[in-house]
Amino acid sequence: EVQLVESGGGLVQPGGSLRLSCAASGFTFSSYWMHWVRQAPGKGLVWVSRMNSDGSRIDYADSVKGRFTVSRDNAKNTLYLQMNSLRAEDAAVYYCARDESLEQQVAYNWFVRWGQGTPVTVSS
Amino acid sequence: IVLTQSPGTLSLSPGERATLSCRASQSVRSNYLAWYQQTPGQAPRLLIYGASNRATGIPDRFSGSGSGTDFTLTISRLEPEDFAIYHCQQYGNSPLAFGGGTRVEIK
Repeated sequence: EVQLVESGGGLVQPGGSLRLSCAASGFTFSSYWMHWVRQAPGKGLVWVSRMNSDGSRIDYADSVKGRFTVSRDNAKNTLYLQMNSLRAEDAAVYYCARDESLEQQVAYNWFVRWGQGTPVTVSS
Repeated sequence: IVLTQSPGTLSLSPGERATLSCRASQSVRSNYLAWYQQTPGQAPRLLIYGASNRATGIPDRFSGSGSGTDFTLTISRLEPEDFAIYHCQQYGNSPLAFGGGTRVEIK
């Protein structure tokens, strides 16, 4: 069974840092693009970042570029999101999601498999 | 691309037909438009991709249509489990974008 389990969320002060993890199981993690998507309380979904299977292609939303860094450890079947210089507007539930593409250079960019999300609160 | 979903809330009774709209600020390349369903506290569930293709296991009461800038999700007869929030997403242009969501509530 495909599973994605996020962790690492919590309360952080403005300007602080947090690293989220997404542990994958039930599929060949090293073959898939992976994404981060967030959702502020009561708001819509917002795409944050994506990384291809070997880490050679990375993209970010403009709102997080220069502050967030996505990475992966295929040996540990884990995706990461390092979040620095956090702002109040970064507060959200962060989901990891698996792309459906098995092509290293082309993402499909729609998502069947999602984690349950990890909440991030940014407040002093 | 900015996606605008309407209405914000749809109040209907079980058995009724629901029609949800998603309008894009510019044409969505290759009609790469997806729809998701989300219930409180849960992750989104993919319903439709490519504007009109039902995802695996999705009942045929859900259908998607549209092209260019105007897309529609139709639920032919609402079941109790269909009362939820629905999101559209375009993936034909960078960056990926979601709409603000439509809540379908029990009247």
